[in-house]
Amino acid sequence: ETGVTQSPTHLIKTRGQQVTLRCSSQSGHNTVSWYQQALGQGPQFIFQYYREEENGRGNFPPRFSGLQFPNYSSELNVNALELDDSALYLCASSLVGGLGPSPLHFGNGTRLTVT
Amino acid sequence: DQQVKQNSPSLSVQEGRISILNCDYTNSMFDYFLWYKKYPAEGPTFLISISSIKDKNEDGRFTVFLNKSAKHLSLHIVPSQPGDSAVYFCAASLMNYGGSQGNLIFGKGTKLSVKP
Repeated sequence: ETGVTQSPTHLIKTRGQQVTLRCSSQSGHNTVSWYQQALGQGPQFIFQYYREEENGRGNFPPRFSGLQFPNYSSELNVNALELDDSALYLCASSLVGGLGPSPLHFGNGTRLTVT
Repeated sequence: DQQVKQNSPSLSVQEGRISILNCDYTNSMFDYFLWYKKYPAEGPTFLISISSIKDKNEDGRFTVFLNKSAKHLSLHIVPSQPGDSAVYFCAASLMNYGGSQGNLIFGKGTKLSVKP
């Protein structure tokens, strides 16, 4: 069973730039969620994708956008980067339609630093 | 306004003893609760969950207790081992959210240190 993988592991960008983070879901999973974890905080929900459509969004501005592809991989795009966007970005996958609730399985994250 | 609170930033326990991690929540609509463990440079790893129709769930050394009237849950680890040293996150969700738990509300975490 292949787990959730994310790339790159680390990234440094300049304020105002754009960034794309990538995620491959765990095999057999059909939903993907993205979370932002600032230093000393718990992960905060950005959005979830199911069947290639956004299926819920947290309190993040529109410059945070995403995509889910037919193979259930996903991208997180952030435009007009701000210093406060510096954080660990976590991707998580789960299975909708299985028997009972499906816990999220997380990747190791991408550490984004905005200077 | 934090909907899920872990009021102890850290906890230190001797190997072999019980570790008790606590979590409080404010939204009575939450009906599914999870605990995750996180090592440095890794993503959170799912440990154990409980739905609101139960008050206890056990999995090996890990037991989660839910007190709905107090809006409180706890994770018990018995016996504690040095490898359990990590940050533990409590999370809550609405089980029927899109059919999965995509929108988890996390606490800030408790750093557990188990000393040999």
